[in-house]
Parts: sequence; structure tokens; C-alpha cells
Amino acid sequence: AQSVTQLGSHVSVSEGALVLLRCNYSSSVPPYLFWYVQYPNQGLQLLLKYTSAATLVKGINGFEAEFKKSETSFHLTKPSAHMSDAAEYFCAVSDRGDAGGTSYGKLTFGQGTILTVHP
Amino acid sequence: DSGVTQTPKHLITATGQRVTLRCSPRSGDLSVYWYQQSLDQGLQFLIQYYNGEERAKGNILERFSAQQFPDLHSELNLSSLELGDSALYFCASSVAGMYQETQYFGPGTRLLVL
Repeated sequence: AQSVTQLGSHVSVSEGALVLLRCNYSSSVPPYLFWYVQYPNQGLQLLLKYTSAATLVKGINGFEAEFKKSETSFHLTKPSAHMSDAAEYFCAVSDRGDAGGTSYGKLTFGQGTILTVHP
Repeated sequence: DSGVTQTPKHLITATGQRVTLRCSPRSGDLSVYWYQQSLDQGLQFLIQYYNGEERAKGNILERFSAQQFPDLHSELNLSSLELGDSALYFCASSVAGMYQETQYFGPGTRLLVL
């Protein structure tokens, strides 16, 4: 079974500082990995996704993530935090389905990391 | 705006009651997913439909059921509601329900069971 662990349920940074949100996954096959952001009282919005085309993935709003197979990690970074980045961030892995080849897309999410940005 | 719509936005009901949550996927998307977000369980996959057929089931209680209609909208029915069913219920859609695809999420329905 696939799983995702997000280290740190809360991360606090100053405006302009580096943002680093950690995600480790467990998967028996090469995974498809996603980062979603959830602003207060809103649904989840896709930030970026890893599809094996490139290990460094660039997303929206200046975020990027690097896939490291040896570390089973997919950490999310942003060089300079902005007040508008305050939200909850979720890392997720997509289920590739059973050995019969039928592919499903259910997402398994980490517990989420709440990012607070201080002025 | 993801293009996925969910109604109602908020729902307050009593224990033992039954409610129906509705979801309309993005135009062109054939697959719909339902997820539950609660403080203790986090975001959990409930069930997936593709073009009217159930495709995958997750941690969905027997008191819960869903269906996808010919026009591709989906409904999640929750019955014999308990306090612990209070949560945010999300619908997501994708083109063909494949693992490589991006799922686009609706704004959610917040259910409060009193």
C-alpha cells in the first residue's frame, strides 16, 4: 500500500524566507506525486505534479519540488515566502492500481502542513 | 475556479438523518472521486466512478453510498448520520480516472451533524 508522510504539521517562516515543506512517500512502483494547496474555506488546488519526466518540477506561484528516489522524498520549496502563501499544503501519491493493469487514480494524502508566514 | 461544482456548501443536520451531496465534474471529465476531510482522519478517499460505473472503493462506510448519473454528475448519500460524520466532503474529477491524471477539486460541502 502506498503512503505519504509529511514531516511537520506546522511550519512558520518570515516573509521573504525560504519555504521548505517535507514529504516522504512509500510506493512499490515509481510513483506519481502531487502537491496541493488548500486556502481557508476553499478546495484543493494543484501546485505541481511529478510524472517522471523530470526530477525537478516547477509549479505555480513560484513553488517547485524535487523528486529524490534514493530518499523517497518529494519536498516542496519556494525561495521567498509571501504572505499570500499562508495555507495548508498536502502531498499526495496516486494509486497505480492492481497487478492486473487496471489503473485507478485515487490519491493518498499526507496529513498536511500548515504554513504560516510572518511579516 | 476548478470547474468542479458542489452543492450545498454547508449542511447542518441531526443524528440519524440522511443527506445527499451533489457534484458536477468539469466539462469533459468522465471520472468523479469523493474524499472526506476530517480533523482526526485527514483527507481520505471514499469512492470513484467512471462514466457511471463504480471503479474503486476506499474507506467508505456502509451507511454511505454514491452514484454517477448519465449526465456525469454524482451524488454522495450519507444516511443514519452520526456526530463523527461531520467533515468536509470533496468531489474531484479527472478526464478518464487514470493515475497519471490531475484531479480537480470542488470547493467542498461542509457537513455538521448535531
